[in-house]
Amino acid sequence: DAGVIQSPRHEVTEMGQEVTLRCKPISGHNSLFWYRQTMMRGLELLIYFNNNVPIDDSGMPEDRFSAKMPNASFSTLKIQPSEPRDSAVYFCASSVQGADTQYFGPGTRLTVL
Amino acid sequence: SQQGEEDPQALSIQEGENATMNCSYKTSINNLQWYRQNSGRGLVHLILIRSNEREKHSGRLRVTLDTSKKSSSLLITASRAADTASYFCATDATGSARQLTFGSGTQLTVLP
Repeated sequence: DAGVIQSPRHEVTEMGQEVTLRCKPISGHNSLFWYRQTMMRGLELLIYFNNNVPIDDSGMPEDRFSAKMPNASFSTLKIQPSEPRDSAVYFCASSVQGADTQYFGPGTRLTVL
Repeated sequence: SQQGEEDPQALSIQEGENATMNCSYKTSINNLQWYRQNSGRGLVHLILIRSNEREKHSGRLRVTLDTSKKSSSLLITASRAADTASYFCATDATGSARQLTFGSGTQLTVLP
């Protein structure tokens, strides 16, 4: 069975450029989570969706970050414009709504030069 | 800020030994989970313990929870080199609608 799929796996971009990260959750899962992992701050929840609706985006660091979930099988996290301090590994995770266990994708390693 | 804080930050043991990692948290919880992260990979769920449980086993894993002390421990028995990874506790705070807050992790190295 396919797990959570993220693309790209690695992204290197220059400061000021727009970055779009993509996630396909596990089929049948209706909760989706975006996390950011850095050495300094660890794993932080950015935003999560239930049934494609954003529930809590209080973890989104700035207005430069936005996330969408146009349908049950696709979500994007966009950073515009990107800055070097956005460099991190971004994870997408999904779960059945109300369930306890989250299933993580392999992550996207973002480097902003 | 991190809800859970793991201790120690790093642990190095010989294959066959037991590894114990601890997690402390701050608020009331529904449950506490442990996840493993291999280098360059996503997190994988290991085990969940609910707030009304004190101990749980799964294979070579043993988890304890002390809600009065707001702490949990993960014991891996008879460790193997393949257990080398980072281990995170994650708390599901009461009323948080299944939002998990992760600790800072323990890096476990099992030497062959």
